[in-house]
Amino acid sequence: GESVGLHLPTLSVQEGDNSIINCAYSNSASDYFIWYKQESGKGPQFIIDIRSNMDKRQGQRVTVLLNKTVKHLSLQIAATQPGDSAVYFCAVKSPNDYKLSFGAGTTVTVRA
Amino acid sequence: DTGVSQNPRHKITKRGQNVTFRCDPISEHNRLYWYRQTLGQGPEFLTYFQNEAQLEKSRLLSDRFSAERPKGSFSTLEIQRTEQGDSAMYLCASADRVYGYTFGSGTRLTVV
Repeated sequence: GESVGLHLPTLSVQEGDNSIINCAYSNSASDYFIWYKQESGKGPQFIIDIRSNMDKRQGQRVTVLLNKTVKHLSLQIAATQPGDSAVYFCAVKSPNDYKLSFGAGTTVTVRA
Repeated sequence: DTGVSQNPRHKITKRGQNVTFRCDPISEHNRLYWYRQTLGQGPEFLTYFQNEAQLEKSRLLSDRFSAERPKGSFSTLEIQRTEQGDSAMYLCASADRVYGYTFGSGTRLTVV
């Protein structure tokens, strides 16, 4: 099965600074990766995804980087805002598999 | 409807009682997933439907758990003879293809 781990369980960042959240996965055949944001009492909210044929993808204020060589995934948030405070999960899918495997999550706290 | 709807949002039940949760996916999505999330952890896969067919069940889904998706539309998750260890957030997600999962807000179950 797939094992997914976050490097840091918590991250405190100053408002306006950039945030980087890291994730490691175990299955080198994994082909699809998603970052989710989850606020208290809510379900995971899609942020950005990337397929294994890419190594970088950008969205609005967010960038996902995929390093398949070391099986590492990161989420960069530019100019972090108070509304970015949440738990962030990476999720990984393997080929021929229907489900996502999630890491434990990184709690991001934005300091004013 | 622009999202995945789950009802109820919260459920408190006594140990030994049966509970049923409902998920209404995004209407054009033929794939439906149930996940369970405990405090401080990422979601864990429970089961997957493609249209009305239940194609995969996790080992987490003991024989006290049953899920249905009649007519390939809404889905229900029933837990019989609830135990305190069943206390968790139960999340439903839907997708119209392999990529692009949308989660609902979840049903938080508390077994007392």
